Amino acid sequence: AQKITQTQPGMFVQEKEAVTLDCTYDTSDPSYGLFWYKQPSSGEMIFLIYQGSYDQQNATEGRYSLNFQKARKSANLVISASQLGDSAMYFCAMRDQPNSGYSTLTFGKGTMLLVSP
Amino acid sequence: DARVTQTPRHKVTEMGQEVTMRCQPILGHNTVFWYRQTMMQGLELLAYFRNRAPLDDSGMPKDRFSAEMPDATLATLKIQPSEPRDSAVYFCASGSQTEAFFGQGTRLTVV
Repeated sequence: AQKITQTQPGMFVQEKEAVTLDCTYDTSDPSYGLFWYKQPSSGEMIFLIYQGSYDQQNATEGRYSLNFQKARKSANLVISASQLGDSAMYFCAMRDQPNSGYSTLTFGKGTMLLVSP
Repeated sequence: DARVTQTPRHKVTEMGQEVTMRCQPILGHNTVFWYRQTMMQGLELLAYFRNRAPLDDSGMPKDRFSAEMPDATLATLKIQPSEPRDSAVYFCASGSQTEAFFGQGTRLTVV
């Protein structure tokens, strides 16, 4: 069963506008972590932001914030004031934390974001 | 500035040859992952180590792939013999429960 779903294959946004990239997840574990990565055309995977399931506040890192809605099992990435350099593929990932201690990092299929001038 | 280091960055090899990819995880991280990325399959988990012990290598073709972590500063992924369908970008990532950083990847081309 797919654990991470990113329903938007592609998104377009104009420079300086905000954009939300969707991510829903599926887990039965009460303890888990959600990650977002950026992959520009250069190919590197850049860690952007982390949200723990028990965190009281939504995570923020500069222009990136995570809209965490636990009951809906969604962890959307919000990029404020988009820049041309934000054009990239964005991946949502989850690491659940079962009592077994075995927990890999499972990725969604990604969303391609294009920022236009 | 701590980072995950992968070598080589690019590798072109002939079918049937052995390929070894190396990864130096970030000091202090207890988890190492190997992923393969292709256009068709996206990011696939190949192997997962915690505290140097292999916990999952079910994503690897066992007859040709092997992953080891001989010490805390080195993880290796080996393909023997390599095949054209192994052409992909191979990423190593290291982390803890709250962070996971990727190396720059090894772009492998098997001709």
